[in-house]
Amino acid sequence: QKEVEQNSGPLSVPEGAIASLNCTYSDRGSQSFFWYRQYSGKSPELIMSIYSNGDKEDGRFTAQLNKASQYVSLLIRDSQPSDSATYLCAVNARGGGADGLTFGKGTHLIIQP
Amino acid sequence: SQTIHQWPATLVQPVGSPLSLECTVEGTSNPNLYWYRQAAGRGLQLLFYSVGIGQISSEVPQNLSASRPQDRQFILSSKKLLLSDSGFYLCAWSVAAGNEKLFFGSGTQLSVL
Repeated sequence: QKEVEQNSGPLSVPEGAIASLNCTYSDRGSQSFFWYRQYSGKSPELIMSIYSNGDKEDGRFTAQLNKASQYVSLLIRDSQPSDSATYLCAVNARGGGADGLTFGKGTHLIIQP
Repeated sequence: SQTIHQWPATLVQPVGSPLSLECTVEGTSNPNLYWYRQAAGRGLQLLFYSVGIGQISSEVPQNLSASRPQDRQFILSSKKLLLSDSGFYLCAWSVAAGNEKLFFGSGTQLSVL
């Protein structure tokens, strides 16, 4: 069974510091990896996608992928109180199929002013 | 640009009553469409997906059904709601190719009492 694991948190980080969020997945054939941000009571919003090993940077966000270790991470630099949310890791575990993404349960991030 | 509309935003229904949630996508043709449910402590669960009009795939056997009467319209239904159907229902779309990111509607918070 496809699984995506995240530490549920809460992860508390002081304002201005780097927040590091981690995710592991079980299906070694997975090809696409995504990070979503979800504020309480709102729908998930896509913030990063990554498809190949290494780092991908977009503004204050960096996604890191290591397929050999089946590990994805998200770094948020210069953390702001507005970054406080639940971050969902998602994986397309069947490589090319239309059957959607498998999501982790999310990590609750709190940025302390 | 593409937009996805989902309604209603909140719904309170008695046990045994019917359900109909609707989702429409604008600005794209032949999208893949998805219904997810997010229950407390369980993460996002894929319920149904569709790659075309009249084509529905179910991921989890349950009290719910889905239909796609038009290219950009996706409907989630139930004849008789159960208490366990409570949750946050999310419609999503992706382009009609594999490994693609999902974009979510604003969600429907359903409470079955």
